[in-house]
Amino acid sequence: QKEVEQDPGPLSVPEGAIVSLNCTYSNSAFQYFMWYRQYSRKGPELLMYTYSSGNKEDGRFTAQVDKSSKYISLFIRDSQPSDSATYLCAIRWGSTGFQKLVFGTGTRLLVSP
Amino acid sequence: DVKVTQSSRYLVKRTGEKVFLECVQDMDHENMFWYRQDPGLGLRLIYFSYDVKMKEKGDIPEGYSVSREKKERFSLILESASTNQTSMYLCASSNQGAQYFGPGTRLLVL
Repeated sequence: QKEVEQDPGPLSVPEGAIVSLNCTYSNSAFQYFMWYRQYSRKGPELLMYTYSSGNKEDGRFTAQVDKSSKYISLFIRDSQPSDSATYLCAIRWGSTGFQKLVFGTGTRLLVSP
Repeated sequence: DVKVTQSSRYLVKRTGEKVFLECVQDMDHENMFWYRQDPGLGLRLIYFSYDVKMKEKGDIPEGYSVSREKKERFSLILESASTNQTSMYLCASSNQGAQYFGPGTRLLVL
C-alpha cells in the first residue's frame, strides 16, 4: 500500500464549479499537510500548508484535514481556466529537524471556459 | 519570496556524457533536495542535503551523485548519462516545513 494515494484524474469541470481534490494516507504519524499546484512543464508551487484537523482558507482555496479518517482535501471555489494544472498533496511527520515529504502522484484538473 | 533557480530549463545530452545540474536558493535554507518526476511515478527523491558538505541518499540514488560546497548551491551529477535518466529534474529547498521548488530542468538523453 502506498503511503499517500491520490486519484490521477483528469478531473474536468466547467468554469465556476466547486472542485474537490483528495488524498488518503496510511500512516497516522503524519502531522503536516501541503498542497502544491504544478502547471505543465513548471515546478510545483506551494498553495496551502496546514497542521491541524479542520479547515484552512486562503482566497478561493480551502484545505481540509481529517486525521481520524486519514483524509485531506483541497476545495477550489469559483474555479477558473487558470486553475487548470496538476495538484499534488504532500505530507510529513513532524515540524522539527529534518523531515522528508511524501508526495501523492497528483490529480490533473481541467477547467473549461 | 523564496527563489530557487536551476541552471537550465532544457538539456539534451548523449549517452555516456557527464551531466551537471545546478540549483541555487536565496533564502538561506538549510535543506536542499533533488527529485526526478516521471509520468505515472510522481516525484521521486534522488538525494538531499541538510547542511553544507552533507548529503544523504534518497529513494533512487543509483547513477547520480551530488555536491554541496556552499549553503545556497546544490549540484546533481549524472556520472555517465543513460537514456533511462531522461526526465524532469526538480530542485527544492526548505528550512522546517514546506519545500520550495525550482522551475525544473527537462533532460533528454539520446
